[in-house]
Amino acid sequence: DSGVTQTPKHLITATGQRVTLRCSPRSGDLSVYWYQQSLDQGLQFLIQYYNGEERAKGNILERFSAQQFPDLHSELNLSSLELGDSALYFCASSARRGGGTGELFFGEGSRLTVL
Amino acid sequence: QQQVKQSPQSLIVQKGGISIINCAYENTAFDYFPWYQQFPGKGPALLIAIRPDVSEKKEGRFTISFNKSAKQFSLHIMDSQPGDSATYFCAASLTGFQKLVFGTGTRLLVSP
Repeated sequence: DSGVTQTPKHLITATGQRVTLRCSPRSGDLSVYWYQQSLDQGLQFLIQYYNGEERAKGNILERFSAQQFPDLHSELNLSSLELGDSALYFCASSARRGGGTGELFFGEGSRLTVL
Repeated sequence: QQQVKQSPQSLIVQKGGISIINCAYENTAFDYFPWYQQFPGKGPALLIAIRPDVSEKKEGRFTISFNKSAKQFSLHIMDSQPGDSATYFCAASLTGFQKLVFGTGTRLLVSP
């Protein structure tokens, strides 16, 4: 158990809808990362937050947004969903803002299916 | 320049054999190279990592070999066991930027 909690584990929705994925990091970790995992593209970095502030942005679509709250949990909002958004979304946390070991602790993911 | 290329996509090894997974990178500024292991239904977990100031790092049956001039690194799993069957991801990052760039993954199956 990594200590990172993600909800929901599974989500099925229709095209055009909006969903919110939630992540609770390990106790004490200030950094939260979101990754998208699809079959043909591996793990794609979406966005990182550190102590409530956005720190790095990756290949995140404009239809997607995220935030980290004062209690350090994070939410990833996906809107105007398309079939291609179907994927496994992982949240990871680490204690460090940057540098260091680079070890990320991943949750078990939220599997999104868009029909 | 941010890509990490990983091969093979899948690998079948007999129990007791050696599993070898290779990765190549382009950005010479990368200075941290971890390998993550992912079992079905679970998130990736750090297996072993290396920095470019050493050419090899060994932890139990797992060894990373690093070739800085060739910009390549590889994971060797000695005496492979069925319990090693999982997907393995190489990754790379820059110190100060904890964004990890992942390879596309290798699905390893160790046959009994």
